[in-house]
Amino acid sequence: DQQVKQNSPSLSVQEGRISILNCDYTNSMFDYFLWYKKYPAEGPTFLISISSIKDKNEDGRFTVFLNKSAKHLSLHIVPSQPGDSAVYFCAARASGTYKYIFGTGTRLKVLA
Amino acid sequence: ETGVTQSPTHLIKTRGQQVTLRCSSQSGHNTVSWYQQALGQGPQFIFQYYREEENGRGNFPPRFSGLQFPNYSSELNVNALELDDSALYLCASSLLAATGRNEQFFGPGTRLTVL
Repeated sequence: DQQVKQNSPSLSVQEGRISILNCDYTNSMFDYFLWYKKYPAEGPTFLISISSIKDKNEDGRFTVFLNKSAKHLSLHIVPSQPGDSAVYFCAARASGTYKYIFGTGTRLKVLA
Repeated sequence: ETGVTQSPTHLIKTRGQQVTLRCSSQSGHNTVSWYQQALGQGPQFIFQYYREEENGRGNFPPRFSGLQFPNYSSELNVNALELDDSALYLCASSLLAATGRNEQFFGPGTRLTVL
């Protein structure tokens, strides 16, 4: 049972445009969500997080949106840069636990 | 401040053998979590240690066990290796704080191949 789903295995975007990565979840007990970026031969790197009490969190070029009623979150990268090319994972944690559930990842390719 | 380090980077074992993977947490962190990432999948939570005690466990059999030491470094032990144990094993450290915000910082992983 995949509680966190990233339905797009890959995405290609032109440099300078917006990248939108999507994530859906099924567990209504999730209250904290994170995005990680992973380059080959490296561990995932924390990018941005959002608590369920918010619907938006912004950090520079990265913004995460949370729609609790739809159980959906998205990561927006504006403007996209070639260095953003990586695999992006969303992860979620249920209230009262420290166990993170990861999606299967979306490979982003930013074309110069 | 040093980041999370893991050793070894690669390992090849045969079925039935035992393996120990090591992790050094980021300075100041008191919690370590281990994940298994199979090819094409996201990391799957194995277990977490806080102050040398197991603090939560995922759906992994008892032959996956761990330790956390007083200096917050950690080991993952896997007994009776199976072919399906071939994966990237990731260690993540964090600071468990009252706010509950404990973003995890990952090491580069150990690539285990079981033949």
